[in-house]
Amino acid sequence: DAKTTQPNSMESNEEEPVHLPCNHSTISGTDYIHWYRQLPSQGPEYVIHGLTSNVNNRMASLAIAEDRKSSTLILHRATLRDAAVYYCIPDNTGNQFYFGTGTSLTVIP
Amino acid sequence: GAVVSQHPSRVICKSGTSVKIECRSLDFQATTMFWYRQFPKQSLMLMATSNEGSKATYEQGVEKDKFLINHASLTLSTLTVTSAHPEDSSFYICSAYRATGNYGYTFGSGTRLTVV
Repeated sequence: DAKTTQPNSMESNEEEPVHLPCNHSTISGTDYIHWYRQLPSQGPEYVIHGLTSNVNNRMASLAIAEDRKSSTLILHRATLRDAAVYYCIPDNTGNQFYFGTGTSLTVIP
Repeated sequence: GAVVSQHPSRVICKSGTSVKIECRSLDFQATTMFWYRQFPKQSLMLMATSNEGSKATYEQGVEKDKFLINHASLTLSTLTVTSAHPEDSSFYICSAYRATGNYGYTFGSGTRLTVV
């Protein structure tokens, strides 16, 4: 399983964009990059995933480096409800989905 | 969408007793389900992977006789914590994998287990 490196914590002002980086230099060629977030005392929630191309959905955008060794989750306008721990997880097989330490995002009103 | 229901959300049990946690995929069939444990201020730790109709695969260091996993149908997996002790108090989370569509891994809302 590919190891990931994320900042332990980040802060953002409300209604400003947030760029959450993730390093996954040992990712295999067929691993998707998944992003999940977890609010306190809740199960993780799907945010976005991608393979090679940048991806957009209603929650966020995912920018994937050309060499796929890193990616960035972009929240275009942070709200207080976006305060959570964000995890990036490379995975492909549907077997064993491992979490790293994640980034705790604080949104400042 | 893909919905996973986990029950109970909270449970308090006495030391030495057993507790069963259920994980159901409500609107899809999940051939693979996962069980995680999370201690305060820590990340999720994968405990085991369960496949419908076969024995669960446990991660290294997880006692299979203590954490019994049953995945008897495509929509239900259960985790039983046997002879629970205070150190088993934790947040247990299940996940179901949907191979079709765009859903991937869907997580339950978690079970807060407190052993007194």
